[in-house]
Amino acid sequence: EVQLVESGGVVVQPGGSLRLSCAASGFTFDDYTMHWVRQAPGKGLEWVSLISWDGGSTYYADSVKGRFTISRDNSKNSLYLQMNSLRTEDTALYYCAKSRYGGSYLFDYWGQGTLVTVSS
Amino acid sequence: SYVLTQPPSVSVAPGKTARITCGGNNIGSKSVHWYQQKPGQAPVLVVYDDSDRPSGIPERFSGSNSGNTATLTISRVEAGDEADYYCQVWDSGVVFGGGTKLTVL
Repeated sequence: EVQLVESGGVVVQPGGSLRLSCAASGFTFDDYTMHWVRQAPGKGLEWVSLISWDGGSTYYADSVKGRFTISRDNSKNSLYLQMNSLRTEDTALYYCAKSRYGGSYLFDYWGQGTLVTVSS
Repeated sequence: SYVLTQPPSVSVAPGKTARITCGGNNIGSKSVHWYQQKPGQAPVLVVYDDSDRPSGIPERFSGSNSGNTATLTISRVEAGDEADYYCQVWDSGVVFGGGTKLTVL
Protein backbone atom coordinates (compact mmCIF):
# COMPACT_ATOMS: atom_id res chain seq x y z
CA GLU A 1 0.00 0.00 0.00
CA VAL A 2 1.36 3.40 -1.01
CA GLN A 3 1.82 5.75 1.93
CA LEU A 4 3.05 9.33 2.00
CA VAL A 5 3.49 10.90 5.43
CA GLU A 6 4.40 14.56 5.69
CA SER A 7 5.91 16.20 8.76
CA GLY A 8 7.57 19.40 9.87
CA GLY A 9 4.71 21.85 9.73
CA VAL A 10 4.69 24.38 12.58
CA VAL A 11 3.96 28.02 13.35
CA VAL A 12 6.83 30.22 12.15
CA GLN A 13 7.38 33.97 12.01
CA PRO A 14 7.57 35.87 8.72
CA GLY A 15 11.09 35.73 7.36
CA GLY A 16 11.73 32.43 9.07
CA SER A 17 12.73 29.03 7.68
CA LEU A 18 11.30 25.55 7.83
CA ARG A 19 12.03 22.13 6.39
CA LEU A 20 9.21 19.79 5.50
CA SER A 21 9.70 16.05 5.08
CA CYS A 22 7.69 13.35 3.36
CA ALA A 23 8.30 9.69 4.13
CA ALA A 24 7.27 7.38 1.29
CA SER A 25 6.55 3.65 1.36
CA GLY A 26 4.76 0.99 -0.62
CA PHE A 27 6.34 1.76 -3.99
CA THR A 28 9.77 2.05 -5.61
CA PHE A 29 10.46 5.63 -4.60
CA ASP A 30 13.33 6.30 -7.01
CA ASP A 31 11.19 5.39 -10.03
CA TYR A 32 8.97 8.44 -9.65
CA THR A 33 8.96 12.20 -9.91
CA MET A 34 7.62 13.69 -6.67
CA HIS A 35 5.77 16.93 -6.00
CA TRP A 36 4.75 19.36 -3.30
CA VAL A 37 1.30 20.93 -3.57
CA ARG A 38 -0.20 23.37 -1.07
CA GLN A 39 -3.65 24.57 -0.13
CA ALA A 40 -4.24 27.75 1.82
CA PRO A 41 -7.13 27.58 4.32
CA GLY A 42 -10.42 27.59 2.44
CA LYS A 43 -8.68 28.01 -0.91
CA GLY A 44 -7.81 25.90 -3.93
CA LEU A 45 -4.83 23.74 -4.79
CA GLU A 46 -1.53 25.37 -5.72
CA TRP A 47 1.39 23.40 -7.10
CA VAL A 48 4.70 24.28 -5.43
CA SER A 49 7.53 22.19 -6.83
CA LEU A 50 8.63 18.93 -8.41
CA ILE A 51 11.79 16.86 -8.46
CA SER A 52 12.74 14.16 -10.93
CA TRP A 53 13.44 10.59 -9.87
CA ASP A 54 17.16 11.20 -9.51
CA GLY A 55 16.99 14.77 -8.24
CA GLY A 56 18.58 16.02 -11.45
CA SER A 57 15.65 18.21 -12.47
CA THR A 58 13.60 20.53 -10.32
CA TYR A 59 10.83 23.01 -11.11
CA TYR A 60 9.20 25.64 -8.94
CA ALA A 61 6.11 27.80 -9.01
CA ASP A 62 6.96 31.47 -9.54
CA SER A 63 5.52 32.25 -6.11
CA VAL A 64 8.24 30.25 -4.33
CA LYS A 65 11.15 30.39 -6.78
CA GLY A 66 14.34 31.50 -5.07
CA ARG A 67 12.91 30.88 -1.58
CA PHE A 68 12.05 27.16 -1.55
CA THR A 69 14.28 24.20 -2.42
CA ILE A 70 13.03 20.70 -3.12
CA SER A 71 15.28 17.70 -2.59
CA ARG A 72 15.10 13.96 -2.09
CA ASP A 73 17.09 11.15 -0.51
CA ASN A 74 16.32 7.95 -2.38
CA SER A 75 18.27 5.88 0.14
CA LYS A 76 15.77 7.01 2.78
CA ASN A 77 12.67 7.09 0.56
CA SER A 78 12.21 10.69 1.58
CA LEU A 79 11.24 13.98 -0.03
CA TYR A 80 12.01 17.39 1.44
CA LEU A 81 11.06 21.02 1.03
CA GLN A 82 13.35 23.67 2.46
CA MET A 83 11.36 26.86 2.90
CA ASN A 84 13.20 30.15 3.50
CA SER A 85 12.10 33.78 3.74
CA LEU A 86 8.61 32.66 4.63
CA ARG A 87 5.69 35.02 4.07
CA THR A 88 2.21 35.09 5.53
CA GLU A 89 0.88 34.01 2.13
CA ASP A 90 2.83 30.75 2.45
CA THR A 91 0.41 29.67 5.17
CA ALA A 92 -1.13 26.45 3.89
CA LEU A 93 -1.52 22.71 4.19
CA TYR A 94 1.43 21.23 2.29
CA TYR A 95 0.86 17.92 0.51
CA CYS A 96 3.46 15.54 -0.80
CA ALA A 97 2.23 13.85 -4.00
CA LYS A 98 3.47 11.00 -6.17
CA SER A 99 3.45 11.11 -9.95
CA ARG A 100 1.11 8.58 -11.49
CA TYR A 101 3.84 7.17 -13.71
CA GLY A 102 7.53 7.89 -14.05
CA GLY A 103 8.07 11.52 -14.84
CA SER A 104 4.45 12.46 -15.32
CA TYR A 105 2.78 15.62 -14.11
CA LEU A 106 -0.33 14.17 -12.53
CA PHE A 107 -0.74 12.71 -9.09
CA ASP A 108 -2.13 9.36 -8.07
CA TYR A 109 -1.30 9.39 -4.36
CA TRP A 110 -1.25 12.23 -1.87
CA GLY A 111 -0.30 12.42 1.78
CA GLN A 112 -2.62 13.92 4.37
CA GLY A 113 -0.61 17.12 4.51
CA THR A 114 1.32 19.10 7.10
CA LEU A 115 0.16 22.56 8.17
CA VAL A 116 2.51 25.52 7.91
CA THR A 117 1.39 28.72 9.57
CA VAL A 118 3.40 31.89 9.01
CA SER A 119 2.40 34.48 11.56
CA SER A 120 3.93 36.94 13.96
CA SER B 1 1.19 32.15 -17.22
CA TYR B 2 -1.47 29.68 -18.23
CA VAL B 3 -4.88 30.10 -16.58
CA LEU B 4 -7.59 27.49 -16.06
CA THR B 5 -11.08 28.82 -15.37
CA GLN B 6 -13.72 26.80 -13.53
CA PRO B 7 -17.18 27.85 -12.34
CA PRO B 8 -17.11 28.32 -8.56
CA SER B 9 -20.16 26.15 -8.05
CA VAL B 10 -22.43 23.66 -9.77
CA SER B 11 -25.64 22.25 -8.32
CA VAL B 12 -27.42 19.10 -9.43
CA ALA B 13 -30.24 16.88 -8.20
CA PRO B 14 -29.52 13.26 -7.30
CA GLY B 15 -29.71 10.95 -10.29
CA LYS B 16 -29.08 13.76 -12.78
CA THR B 17 -25.94 14.61 -14.71
CA ALA B 18 -23.40 17.19 -13.55
CA ARG B 19 -21.03 18.87 -15.97
CA ILE B 20 -18.04 20.82 -14.66
CA THR B 21 -16.11 22.87 -17.19
CA CYS B 22 -12.49 23.93 -17.27
CA GLY B 23 -11.57 26.68 -19.69
CA GLY B 24 -8.12 27.46 -21.01
CA ASN B 25 -6.49 28.79 -24.15
CA ASN B 26 -6.36 25.87 -26.61
CA ILE B 27 -6.74 23.44 -23.72
CA GLY B 28 -7.69 20.79 -26.25
CA SER B 29 -4.00 20.47 -27.11
CA LYS B 30 -3.13 19.53 -23.53
CA SER B 31 -3.79 16.53 -21.31
CA VAL B 32 -6.30 17.41 -18.62
CA HIS B 33 -6.62 15.67 -15.27
CA TRP B 34 -9.41 15.97 -12.69
CA TYR B 35 -9.33 15.58 -8.91
CA GLN B 36 -12.09 15.23 -6.37
CA GLN B 37 -11.54 16.63 -2.88
CA LYS B 38 -13.95 16.07 -0.02
CA PRO B 39 -13.77 18.19 3.16
CA GLY B 40 -10.80 17.35 5.33
CA GLN B 41 -9.40 14.87 2.82
CA ALA B 42 -6.59 14.83 0.29
CA PRO B 43 -7.52 15.08 -3.39
CA VAL B 44 -8.29 11.93 -5.38
CA LEU B 45 -7.60 11.53 -9.10
CA VAL B 46 -10.88 10.73 -10.88
CA VAL B 47 -10.03 11.31 -14.56
CA TYR B 48 -6.65 11.57 -16.26
CA ASP B 49 -5.43 12.25 -19.79
CA ASP B 50 -8.75 13.92 -20.65
CA SER B 51 -10.96 10.85 -20.38
CA ASP B 52 -9.29 7.87 -18.69
CA ARG B 53 -10.37 6.62 -15.29
CA PRO B 54 -8.07 5.19 -12.61
CA SER B 55 -9.04 1.81 -11.26
CA GLY B 56 -11.70 2.07 -8.59
CA ILE B 57 -13.32 5.20 -10.04
CA PRO B 58 -16.94 4.56 -11.10
CA GLU B 59 -17.83 4.65 -14.79
CA ARG B 60 -20.19 7.49 -13.90
CA PHE B 61 -17.15 9.78 -14.06
CA SER B 62 -16.06 10.72 -17.56
CA GLY B 63 -14.15 13.50 -19.26
CA SER B 64 -13.77 15.23 -22.58
CA ASN B 65 -11.49 17.93 -23.96
CA SER B 66 -11.71 20.00 -27.11
CA GLY B 67 -10.97 23.51 -28.24
CA ASN B 68 -10.87 25.83 -25.25
CA THR B 69 -12.92 23.72 -22.85
CA ALA B 70 -12.47 20.47 -20.96
CA THR B 71 -15.44 18.93 -19.19
CA LEU B 72 -15.84 16.50 -16.32
CA THR B 73 -19.19 14.73 -16.51
CA ILE B 74 -20.70 12.89 -13.56
CA SER B 75 -23.71 10.78 -14.50
CA ARG B 76 -26.37 9.56 -12.06
CA VAL B 77 -25.06 11.87 -9.38
CA GLU B 78 -25.09 10.57 -5.81
CA ALA B 79 -24.94 12.41 -2.52
CA GLY B 80 -21.42 11.06 -2.03
CA ASP B 81 -20.22 12.95 -5.11
CA GLU B 82 -20.59 16.26 -3.29
CA ALA B 83 -17.06 17.68 -3.23
CA ASP B 84 -14.69 20.20 -4.74
CA TYR B 85 -13.38 19.31 -8.19
CA TYR B 86 -10.16 20.62 -9.71
CA CYS B 87 -8.84 20.40 -13.27
CA GLN B 88 -5.09 20.33 -13.87
CA VAL B 89 -2.66 20.57 -16.80
CA TRP B 90 1.05 20.98 -17.37
CA ASP B 91 2.25 24.26 -18.88
CA SER B 92 5.83 25.01 -17.88
CA GLY B 93 4.69 23.87 -14.47
CA VAL B 94 1.65 22.21 -12.97
CA VAL B 95 -1.45 24.42 -13.24
CA PHE B 96 -4.68 23.88 -11.31
CA GLY B 97 -8.04 25.42 -11.96
CA GLY B 98 -9.64 27.38 -9.16
CA GLY B 99 -11.95 24.52 -8.25
CA THR B 100 -15.69 23.91 -8.49
CA LYS B 101 -17.88 23.05 -5.54
CA LEU B 102 -20.43 20.44 -6.57
CA THR B 103 -23.58 20.55 -4.49
CA VAL B 104 -26.07 17.69 -4.62
CA LEU B 105 -29.50 19.15 -3.96
